Amino acid sequence: DGGITQSPKYLFRKEGQNVTLSCEQNLNHDAMYWYRQDPGQGLRLIYYSQIVNDFQKGDIAEGYSVSREKKESFPLTVTSAQKNPTAFYLCASSMRHLNTGELFFGEGSRLTVL
Amino acid sequence: QKEVEQNSGPLSVPEGAIASLNCTYSDRGSQSFFWYRQYSGKSPELIMFIYSNGDKEDGRFTAQLNKASQYVSLLIRDSQPSDSATYLCAVFPSGGYQKVTFGIGTKLQVIP
Repeated sequence: DGGITQSPKYLFRKEGQNVTLSCEQNLNHDAMYWYRQDPGQGLRLIYYSQIVNDFQKGDIAEGYSVSREKKESFPLTVTSAQKNPTAFYLCASSMRHLNTGELFFGEGSRLTVL
Repeated sequence: QKEVEQNSGPLSVPEGAIASLNCTYSDRGSQSFFWYRQYSGKSPELIMFIYSNGDKEDGRFTAQLNKASQYVSLLIRDSQPSDSATYLCAVFPSGGYQKVTFGIGTKLQVIP
């Protein structure tokens, strides 16, 4: 079955540690995205990538980093520079050439800083 | 800043009633509009999309778009307790490849 797989679903981090969230898709989608969701704030875009080896900052990129070495994979690293990393992180993908904006989401990763 | 605005709710409706969810957007050139449903602790799932002015119906759901007034709405007929969720409005702007902008979502509670 085609879809987006995020791992881990739950992650606990000590302050000062970097963590990497995995996102893999087998939908053959060109574009991939990382969103952060906090209560009462909706979805905020962290980074997005339209093609392999290219990515752009979203609205809240500070303290995060990404890579796009393969079409299927778009991992997100939450660095120690991120001041308030506890949140629900969502990875999504879309068919870029259709330009319609329909997004397909993974199940999310919930990060808690201890 | 291109914005999408929704009332966060909660919107409470009795079972069997019509739930009406509204969304306004600031970018007049926006071309695609989406409604996602998100259950607590889960990821959003697409339930409706609309591109043209007017109504689009899919089962118990109707999306309505009025580009002149810059609003899009979602009607849920015969509301069920299983419809209780947060409904996110998303707007795809104009001008080539862009990123989707989401509203904060409206929490719907269907009371049995």
